[in-house]
Amino acid sequence: QVQLVESGGGVVQPGGSLRLSCVASGFTFSEISMQWVRQAPGKGLEWLAHIRLDGSNQYYVGSVEGRFIVSRDNSKNTLYLQMNSLRIEDTAVYYCATDADWGFPDWGQGTLVTVS
Amino acid sequence: QSALTQPPSASGSPGQSVTISCTGTNSDVGGYNSVSWYQQHPGKAPKFMIFEVNKRPSGVPDRFSGSKSGNTASLTVSALQAEDEADYYCASYAGSFTWVFGGGTRLTVL
Repeated sequence: QVQLVESGGGVVQPGGSLRLSCVASGFTFSEISMQWVRQAPGKGLEWLAHIRLDGSNQYYVGSVEGRFIVSRDNSKNTLYLQMNSLRIEDTAVYYCATDADWGFPDWGQGTLVTVS
Repeated sequence: QSALTQPPSASGSPGQSVTISCTGTNSDVGGYNSVSWYQQHPGKAPKFMIFEVNKRPSGVPDRFSGSKSGNTASLTVSALQAEDEADYYCASYAGSFTWVFGGGTRLTVL
């Protein structure tokens, strides 16, 4: 079955950087586009970024464009989110999810990033 | 992008039906049939419940149904059960490989 496992969260100071990873299994990773979604404490879901199945193109929500970079290594079945110039408002649980043209079928358990 | 608009809360008694709305614009909900719905229990990851407005993934009970009219999509939960108590989020494709979520609705089973 599909499994997505995020890691790399933690506590970081404002202005700092952090790299999240999402290891995928149970499907052919190189054939699926991927997404990052976050959820601030007590708040709703926010779509962050999309990367095409071959990593050729990336798309971002305006609030993270220029600060966050999504990438993938299909040889390692791993998705990444490089987060730079972190702000207090970036504090959230970060989820990776598979992308179908019609939604996000599979989600990881999330990793908590605290900017403080 | 602006978040889609959902009511913050909804409620119903066991056995009843409840409908949650999700209002967007012509650039998202009204412009595409890629509306999906997610259920989230406290401390858990979201679960995929509805896609393409009204289709259910395998394993989702047929008590869950979706619809859309213009810029507003809706999720109906029929024959409410205690385990349906959760937060529900809509999401819509917004063009150019971007997506937007709703603010979420907390469903309480009375």
